[in-house]
Amino acid sequence: EPEVTQTPSHQVTQMGQEVILRCVPISNHLYFYWYRQILGQKVEFLVSFYNNEISEKSEIFDDQFSVERPDGSNFTLKIRSTKLEDSAMYFCASYSNEQYFGPGTRLTVT
Amino acid sequence: AQKITQTQPGMFVQEKEAVTLDCTYDTSDQSYGLFWYKQPSSGEMIFLIYQGSYDEQNATEGRYSLNFQKARKSANLVISASQLGDSAMYFCAMREDAYSGAGSYQLTFGKGTKLSVIP
Repeated sequence: EPEVTQTPSHQVTQMGQEVILRCVPISNHLYFYWYRQILGQKVEFLVSFYNNEISEKSEIFDDQFSVERPDGSNFTLKIRSTKLEDSAMYFCASYSNEQYFGPGTRLTVT
Repeated sequence: AQKITQTQPGMFVQEKEAVTLDCTYDTSDQSYGLFWYKQPSSGEMIFLIYQGSYDEQNATEGRYSLNFQKARKSANLVISASQLGDSAMYFCAMREDAYSGAGSYQLTFGKGTKLSVIP
């Protein structure tokens, strides 16, 4: 069964550092997403990506965040200067008829 | 107003019994989809079941069924014959299909219900 993969599974970084979270969506899907889940809270939408550009973003997705699809398979989320409150689980998802989620990257900012 | 409301922060169920997890939603779209995901303690989001707004039959997937009451805007998840491995967080989510530019189809999640299955 096709699946969404994410790397790394856990990333620890210092405040102010840049991080790049990587995702490989399901190959024939056209819509890609990043969500985040702060520990103990609900999953929140960050950004959607279609046809090589952002189609929608939430108010959480400020100038510190960017997304890229550098080649035909990878989909990345970059946080330029991490803050303590960026500590969360970050999920990548891709969509055909259903949204398939990756296993997540747990980001810890110290 | 919350788009997805899950009123049960925690639920307990005896092994082998059935349990219903509540979800109500709020949308003015005619076309939308409703999803349930399971999140075990390991953290991944596991897709369980999907109901489209135009589907006349309630969705079923194995031991999972979705009790869809469109007029009441509810989409409750029913788990039959609970197993110990069902202990997890369960999230209800909605996709609204109103066209917006290139389209987005992102999901809006509820706060979740923590289900504990008692042996």
